Order: sequence, then structure tokens, then C-alpha cells
Amino acid sequence: NAGVTQTPKFRILKIGQSMTLQCTQDMNHNYMYWYRQDPGMGLKLIYYSVGAGITDKGEVPNGYNVSRSTTEDFPLRLELAAPSQTSVYFCASSYPDRGYEQYFGPGTRLTVT
Amino acid sequence: QKEVEQNSGPLSVPEGAIASLNCTYSDRGSQSFFWYRQYSGKSPELIMFIYSNGDKEDGRFTAQLNKASQYVSLLIRDSQPSDSATYLCAVSPPGTYKYIFGTGTRLKVLA
Repeated sequence: NAGVTQTPKFRILKIGQSMTLQCTQDMNHNYMYWYRQDPGMGLKLIYYSVGAGITDKGEVPNGYNVSRSTTEDFPLRLELAAPSQTSVYFCASSYPDRGYEQYFGPGTRLTVT
Repeated sequence: QKEVEQNSGPLSVPEGAIASLNCTYSDRGSQSFFWYRQYSGKSPELIMFIYSNGDKEDGRFTAQLNKASQYVSLLIRDSQPSDSATYLCAVSPPGTYKYIFGTGTRLKVLA
């Protein structure tokens, strides 16, 4: 199993550009999450999904969109990139059991200039 | 009040000592509590989770939960330089499938 994979690893965007961060998991997890982590800070939840076709906002959803058409994939779309979106983005997935242990991808480091 | 609070550190301990990391949370109904370790430039990895009041031990790690006082702690015995990392506390609010993370405590174990 590859676990949770994310692409790209690094990206530099200009202000106003758009991009999609890809996330795929091969563990058949129902739940998937997108977080952002700013330097020296904890993780902030952007969006999450409890299954294909179902998504919901987290703490910091503004400027982002998601879709979940399959169990495996949970892409994050940035429209009109702004410097405030410079961050490291982590995708995670988990089973819907009591533990909710989340397995994290390696992250995407995004810089908006 | 922040939902999950941690001292940002750094917490410096000598090799072989016990490191004590603390976390407080605001939602009294929270049921599930997690400790993640994150090395610099890497993704978080789960160390322990705890649901019930009291202690839970796993090797050199012990998680302690006190729901009445709304705090959860992580003890690392016989600390090693390889334990140097940021430790993130996460709390799952009741009736949700998500975590709220603290800002993390940076631990430095001095050889």
C-alpha cells in the first residue's frame, strides 16, 4: 500500500493563479481531510469528506473548494491564489471507527508570490 | 479561549530524563484525544490516543487524561535525541469526525 499520496510536493504560484492539489489514498478509507499548516503553527482543517459525494467545511474554507467523486481521491482547488495561502498542505484519511486515526500524506509546500 | 492549547516551547530536557507535554481543551464533551509527533519538514504521525480518564502506556510513552480538569498530557520516559520533534495534541469534539489541533510543543532532547 502506498498510503496517502499527494502531488505536487512543491509549487510556486503567482497571485491570481489557480491550481489543484491532488490527494489519493489506497486504504479504502471513508474519511478524508485537508489541512494547512503555517510556520510554527498547528494544523487547521480546510475541508473534510465522510464519503464519495459528501464534503463539508472546516475551520478555514475560504478561498478553497473540494470535490469527492471517488473513495480514493480528494482534490483541493485553489482559485485566485493569494499570499495568505502560502502554507504547507496536508491531506489525511481515516476509517470511521472510534479511533479516527488519521494517516497523513507527505504534504505540498505552496508559495504564492 | 483557544479550543486546544499547548505551550509552544521549546521544552528542553537532558537525554534519559522524562519529558512532560501538556494540552488543555475547551469542549467538555470531547471524547477522543490524540498525540501526534511531527519531525521538521515531515507529516504528523500518531503516537497515542486515549479515550478514558487515567493513564495509557505504550512503551516509553504514557498518555494521561483528566476530563474533569480538561487536560491531556504525554510523558516520554528515557528521552532520546531522536524524540526531538514537535508534539501535536488533537481533540475530537463530540459528534464529529474531525480533529481540532493545538499549535504543538517543540521538544529538544539534549545529548
